[in-house]
Amino acid sequence: DTGVSQNPRHKITKRGQNVTFRCDPISEHNRLYWYRQTLGQGPEFLTYFQNEAQLEKSRLLSDRFSAERPKGSFSTLEIQRTEQGDSAMYLCASSFDSGRGRYEQYFGPGTRLTVT
Amino acid sequence: AQTVTQSQPEMSVQEAETVTLSCTYDTSESDYYLFWYKQPPSRQMILVIRQEAYKQQNATENRFSVNFQKAAKSFSLKISDSQLGDAAMYFCASMDSNYQLIWGAGTKLIIKP
Repeated sequence: DTGVSQNPRHKITKRGQNVTFRCDPISEHNRLYWYRQTLGQGPEFLTYFQNEAQLEKSRLLSDRFSAERPKGSFSTLEIQRTEQGDSAMYLCASSFDSGRGRYEQYFGPGTRLTVT
Repeated sequence: AQTVTQSQPEMSVQEAETVTLSCTYDTSESDYYLFWYKQPPSRQMILVIRQEAYKQQNATENRFSVNFQKAAKSFSLKISDSQLGDAAMYFCASMDSNYQLIWGAGTKLIIKP
């Protein structure tokens, strides 16, 4: 078990460009979450998947944001036409849901996005 | 909607001493989970401890324990025998029936050698 991994760790992009981030969860985990964290704040929920199904999306997630989890394994988060306000740390987390309780989420190291 | 409040932006403690970090929350749900996570500088979020709301007994994990006051909607974290490696941002979070984590703003813990 190597934990949750995220790539890239850092991304600098110009306003208006598209960016894509990848998250590889812990292998047996069926739930995957995306959060956004700005400096000095706690994370904000963006969306989550159970297996390949996207079950919940935050109102924070504008139509410029899209997430996928094909085959219920890794996930990608794409931001189109980036804006300076998108600059943040994007965190991915995963958990295992057996249907018998709500289990803790394990986090990756994050992808820090800077939009210039 | 659930909310989580951490009223202490920063706390400091002498190494080997005990410190308590405060957290209050608000929820209309009867079944929820509470968590404390730790985020060291430039490192990833790590789970410290969790508490199921239906359990009356306070959770403990080695030097970390919570004081869960359900009626008061309070969930404080006590760190005993503080160590230099405990220096980090500490976040309190609640999980609702939608499996979303709702986070507080965090408390920066400084350990004085």
